[in-house]
Amino acid sequence: SQTIHQWPATLVQPVGSPLSLECTVEGTSNPNLYWYRQAAGRGLQLLFYSVGIGQISSEVPQNLSASRPQDRQFILSSKKLLLSDSGFYLCAWSDPGLARDTQYFGPGTRLTVL
Amino acid sequence: ILNVEQSPQSLHVQEGDSTNFTCSFPSSNFYALHWYRWETAKSPEALFVMTLNGDEKKKGRISATLNTKEGYSYLYIKGSQPEDSATYLCALYPYNQGGKLIFGQGTELSVKP
Repeated sequence: SQTIHQWPATLVQPVGSPLSLECTVEGTSNPNLYWYRQAAGRGLQLLFYSVGIGQISSEVPQNLSASRPQDRQFILSSKKLLLSDSGFYLCAWSDPGLARDTQYFGPGTRLTVL
Repeated sequence: ILNVEQSPQSLHVQEGDSTNFTCSFPSSNFYALHWYRWETAKSPEALFVMTLNGDEKKKGRISATLNTKEGYSYLYIKGSQPEDSATYLCALYPYNQGGKLIFGQGTELSVKP
C-alpha cells in the first residue's frame, strides 16, 4: 500500500531564516506530487506541483521554491521566511494514470514564523 | 481557471440534525468532482469522486450528488454526529490542467452533542 510522509510535524522559525520541508511517498512510482498551504482563515492553496523528477510548476509567485530530486521525494524550501509564510503545509500525491486523480495527503507541517 | 464556490462557509448543528452543503462551479469542463473531509489536526481524506451528471454516491450517513448541467454538487449528512465535525472540501479536476485539483474554500461543520 502507498504511504506519504512529511516532516517535521511542527516548526517555529524566525523571520529571515531558511526553510526546508520534506515529503516522501512509498509504494508507488512516478506519482504526481503537490504542495499546498492553508493560511489562517483561508482555504487550501496549491503552491507547486510536479509530474516528474526535476519538473516543477509554480502556481503563485512567492519566496518559496520546490524541488523534486528523486521520483518520490518533494521538497519545499525558502531562503528567507516571511511572517506571511506561516500556515499549515500539506504534501499530496496522485496516480497520473487515473483520470479521476484522487489526491492523498500527508500529515502536514504546522509552520509558525515569528 | 474554474472557480469553485462552497456554501455555507460554516455550519453549526445539533446532534441528530441532517444537513447539506453546496459546491458550485461555472462550467462542466472537468473530468471529475471530488469531496474531501478534513478533520482538525489530520489530513484531508477523500470521500467521493463523481464524474457523470446525475452521479450519486453514498458512504454510511453521507451522500453526494452531482448536477453538471446546472453546475452544482450537494453533500448530505443524515443524522449528524459530533464525529462528523470537520471541514468538507469540494474540488474539481478540470480538463487541460495537468492533474491539478481546484479546491473550494470548504464548509466547516460543527456538530454539538
